[in-house]
Amino acid sequence: DQQVKQNSPSLSVQEGRISILNCDYTNSMFDYFLWYKKYPAEGPTFLISISSIKDKNEDGRFTVFLNKSAKHLSLHIVPSQPGDSAVYFCAASSNNDYKLSFGAGTTVTVRA
Amino acid sequence: DAGVTQSPTHLIKTRGQQVTLRCSPKSGHDTVSWYQQALGQGPQFIFQYYEEEERQRGNFPDRFSGHQFPNYSSELNVNALLLGDSALYLCASSMGLAGGAQYFGPGTRLLVL
Repeated sequence: DQQVKQNSPSLSVQEGRISILNCDYTNSMFDYFLWYKKYPAEGPTFLISISSIKDKNEDGRFTVFLNKSAKHLSLHIVPSQPGDSAVYFCAASSNNDYKLSFGAGTTVTVRA
Repeated sequence: DAGVTQSPTHLIKTRGQQVTLRCSPKSGHDTVSWYQQALGQGPQFIFQYYEEEERQRGNFPDRFSGHQFPNYSSELNVNALLLGDSALYLCASSMGLAGGAQYFGPGTRLLVL
């Protein structure tokens, strides 16, 4: 039962433009959401997170938006850079269940 | 500040064998979680260790077992290997059971022939 879904397997964006990655979840108990970035042959690297008490969190070029009513979150990367080319995973957890549930990932390619 | 380390990086086994993977958490972290990532999928939670006890377990059979040592390092053991156990095994560490971000190691790539 996939509780976290990333429906876009890939995204191609031009350098300098905005990358928008989307994630949907079904478990209403989720209250903490994270984005990870993964390069080949490396483990996932934590990027940014958001608690369910917020609807936006920003860290440099990365902003995560949370829409609880729609059970939807998104990651915005502005401006996109060639080094951002990687697989991005959305993950979620709940207050009484500390495991992370992951989506299948979105492969981002930033074109020069 | 050392991050999460895992060994070995790659491993090849045959069906029916047993394997042990090792993980050292990030400095200051005391909780270790293990995940299995199959090709083209996101990581799937196997189990989590805190204070040397298994605190939570995902939907994996008893062939998957683990251990946490007093220095917070951890092992993942898989018995009676199946072809379907071929995957990237990721270790993640965090502080306590309060939730929050987990920090991943580079993983161990296991191939079962």
